[in-house]
Amino acid sequence: SQQGEEDPQALSIQEGENATMNCSYKTSINNLQWYRQNSGRGLVHLILIRSNEREKHSGRLRVTLDTSKKSSSLLITASRAADTASYFCATDVDSSYKLIFGSGTRLLVRP
Amino acid sequence: EAGVAQSPRYKIIEKRQSVAFWCNPISGHATLYWYQQILGQGPKLLIQFQNNGVVDDSQLPKDRFSAERLKGVDSTLKIQPAKLEDSAVYLCASSPLNQSPRDEQYFGPGTRLTVT
Repeated sequence: SQQGEEDPQALSIQEGENATMNCSYKTSINNLQWYRQNSGRGLVHLILIRSNEREKHSGRLRVTLDTSKKSSSLLITASRAADTASYFCATDVDSSYKLIFGSGTRLLVRP
Repeated sequence: EAGVAQSPRYKIIEKRQSVAFWCNPISGHATLYWYQQILGQGPKLLIQFQNNGVVDDSQLPKDRFSAERLKGVDSTLKIQPAKLEDSAVYLCASSPLNQSPRDEQYFGPGTRLTVT
């Protein structure tokens, strides 16, 4: 079953704008990760935030985590056409390093 | 370092036929995962190996799916017999056990299976 649900399901923005996508999950987690999937390619790890962290940055990416609301957000600043992809949140819920993926947000960045 | 390798990249079969997918993880990665990703959905874990032992196969349809990881390196996922609903991309991923970060998974390009 899907643990995480991303919102929105699809997002279309202009190049240079910021993109925000949200993830909600159901159970307690060890960490939450964001992955990107380009058309026809495998998933690529973007960023990991642990359950005791509230915010993390990596380049143009900013991730927040609110464990009281069981939610996370991914912000991509100054978007580029190359950011066009599907973005998935994934939660690590136990000690086995197994990930449960959400349903994804499809981002389109228009040139 | 070389990434996770998978073959074939594409496969088309008729229902009730058999199919096998192969995965070669990143060298030294003890943990290997097989995921099924149906179009428009996120990946769903089918089976997780640590070395050559199964950690989790709770979502593997064992009446038709099987997987093995001999010698703790390469892995094969088999479907026999295939059904129409097995049409999906099958992703293999690996992660290290004895180095930090342990949590990140490295994915291969996937095998796109079409069952007609």
